[in-house]
Amino acid sequence: GAGVSQSPSNKVTEKGKDVELRCDPISGHTALYWYRQSLGQGLEFLIYFQGNSAPDKSGLPSDRFSAERTGGSVSTLTIQRTQQEDSAVYLCASSLAAGVANFGPGTRLTVT
Amino acid sequence: AQTVTQSQPEMSVQEAETVTLSCTYDTSESDYYLFWYKQPPSRQMILVIRQEAYKQQNATENRFSVNFQKAAKSFSLKISDSQLGDAAMYFCAYRPSGTYKYIFGTGTRLKVLA
Repeated sequence: GAGVSQSPSNKVTEKGKDVELRCDPISGHTALYWYRQSLGQGLEFLIYFQGNSAPDKSGLPSDRFSAERTGGSVSTLTIQRTQQEDSAVYLCASSLAAGVANFGPGTRLTVT
Repeated sequence: AQTVTQSQPEMSVQEAETVTLSCTYDTSESDYYLFWYKQPPSRQMILVIRQEAYKQQNATENRFSVNFQKAAKSFSLKISDSQLGDAAMYFCAYRPSGTYKYIFGTGTRLKVLA
């Protein structure tokens, strides 16, 4: 079946602009995660959603970052007033309740 | 704090040879899961193998196997009969049971030499 999809694949934006990154999880997966991967670094946890529970936002680096998941499916990660240090690959993953995370191809964000 | 350490930023292996990638982790939990993910240049993270901490038997998946030493908090990945397609970044990850937060190491870049 279809895997996790993310859009756009690449995004270039000017410093100070807002961006929205989209994630379409695998159908039926109740858990959805966002991670950030900076150049040469590992994956940094940002946020996860699990069913109807309150999301774990403990990894969001600042209040410029927010995420929502509508209808238990699609998720949008929003970064307001982008800064150059926000440049990274943003990875989304989904899983069944206790299953293994399946990752999407990521969105490469470049802030100029 | 729970951490995952991959001390080898880069490794090389000759095609058809065997290579072992190291991973150590720090946790006070007794029940958790460990994973190895592969990330080729396409950026797509692919699960290679996973291990439940309560299982003593080391997980294997075709040419990939792990050496899980719970007391030492070590979780190394062995790739046998290395192939050119194995070239990628390999990430070790830890997830406590009952949570959904994965903690990743910084990765090891594996080069396979023809």
